[in-house]
Amino acid sequence: QQQVKQSPQSLIVQKGGISIINCAYENTAFDYFPWYQQFPGKGPALLIAIRPDVSEKKEGRFTISFNKSAKQFSLHIMDSQPGDSATYFCAASKGNAGNMLTFGGGTRLMVKP
Amino acid sequence: DGGITQSPKYLFRKEGQNVTLSCEQNLNHDAMYWYRQDPGQGLRLIYYSQIVNDFQKGDIAEGYSVSREKKESFPLTVTSAQKNPTAFYLCASRRTGVPEKLFFGSGTQLSVL
Repeated sequence: QQQVKQSPQSLIVQKGGISIINCAYENTAFDYFPWYQQFPGKGPALLIAIRPDVSEKKEGRFTISFNKSAKQFSLHIMDSQPGDSATYFCAASKGNAGNMLTFGGGTRLMVKP
Repeated sequence: DGGITQSPKYLFRKEGQNVTLSCEQNLNHDAMYWYRQDPGQGLRLIYYSQIVNDFQKGDIAEGYSVSREKKESFPLTVTSAQKNPTAFYLCASRRTGVPEKLFFGSGTQLSVL
């Protein structure tokens, strides 16, 4: 049972373009939605996170958009750069149960120069 | 530098053999986790531990075992009962009471000979 569905599985974007990755969740008890970035051969690292009391959070070129009624959230990477090429995971958890982060399947992003 | 150290980076297992993956952290984090990463399937939780001498099964614990004798260490044993062990294994930790940020190690790639 996949509680967090992520799309697309892979994405190719030209340098300077906008990368958009989408996630949908099923459990309405989820109240914390992070995105992790993983470079090849490395562990994931927290990129940005949002809670459902806001509809958008921006940090530099990275923005999370959150739609509570649709149970969807997305990551937008503005002015995408080759250095952004990585695998991105969305995740969700409920309450303070950080140990129960449920991850999406991941999106492999390639930004072409 | 504080962080999580996983070793070895690459490991090969012969049929019928148990192998142990090491995970050490010097972040003084209470909680530690093991995840398995397969292509296109995201990260799946194997085991987690919130305090020393206590651990809980995650979603895919069958064929794995762990111990938590020290706060800094959380080794994972892949037993011969795990019939499909080839995967990238990630160890993570988190400070209890802090929003759910996980810190990951650089992973161990396990392959079957």
